[in-house]
Amino acid sequence: EAGVAQSPRYKIIEKRQSVAFWCNPISGHATLYWYQQILGQGPKLLIQFQNNGVVDDSQLPKDRFSAERLKGVDSTLKIQPAKLEDSAVYLCASSSQGTANEKLFFGSGTQLSVL
Amino acid sequence: GNSVTQMEGPVTLSEEAFLTINCTYTATGYPSLFWYVQYPGEGLQLLLKATKADDKGSNKGFEATYRKETTSFHLEKGSVQVSDSAVYFCALRGGSSNTGKLIFGQGTTLQVKP
Repeated sequence: EAGVAQSPRYKIIEKRQSVAFWCNPISGHATLYWYQQILGQGPKLLIQFQNNGVVDDSQLPKDRFSAERLKGVDSTLKIQPAKLEDSAVYLCASSSQGTANEKLFFGSGTQLSVL
Repeated sequence: GNSVTQMEGPVTLSEEAFLTINCTYTATGYPSLFWYVQYPGEGLQLLLKATKADDKGSNKGFEATYRKETTSFHLEKGSVQVSDSAVYFCALRGGSSNTGKLIFGQGTTLQVKP
């Protein structure tokens, strides 16, 4: 089966610019996650969707980050304006139902460099 | 809140050596525990999991046992290979939280030398 697709693979922007990332989860997966992985750290959850509703966005910096999941399938994550500390790999993951013992499938990520 | 702590890396071993990567967790309730692996240039992938106390997860020669009394889920392998070189992440989900959020440790880099 096709995996989680993300684009772009790499992005370089200057601070204060805006950027958007796209994710297409595995077909039929109800739950979609965006994680931020700063170099040398473990991934940190930014936002979790169940279908097209938000389940958890407690660690999303809402003054600059936004995310949507239209029609409960694809999702976009936007940063506006970007800061230097936003440099990280942004990972999208999906799972079938979002239950505790389910496996998450991760995309390859988008590596963002903010200069 | 729930959290995961892993041993600091990098861990450098010779081929065929025994591997242990320590992982301890803090959580209320009964979380599920996971080890994910990130090979160079690749995405995160599930290595093994355990969903209740005393369960042992295993895959590709790696093992980890869910120890509730010590709140630990240490990863072990009897004989490592160069191809095991990667970053290993311990993680938990569930417990008192029902959102399905996966919480990761900081990762441990393993380097295996021939």
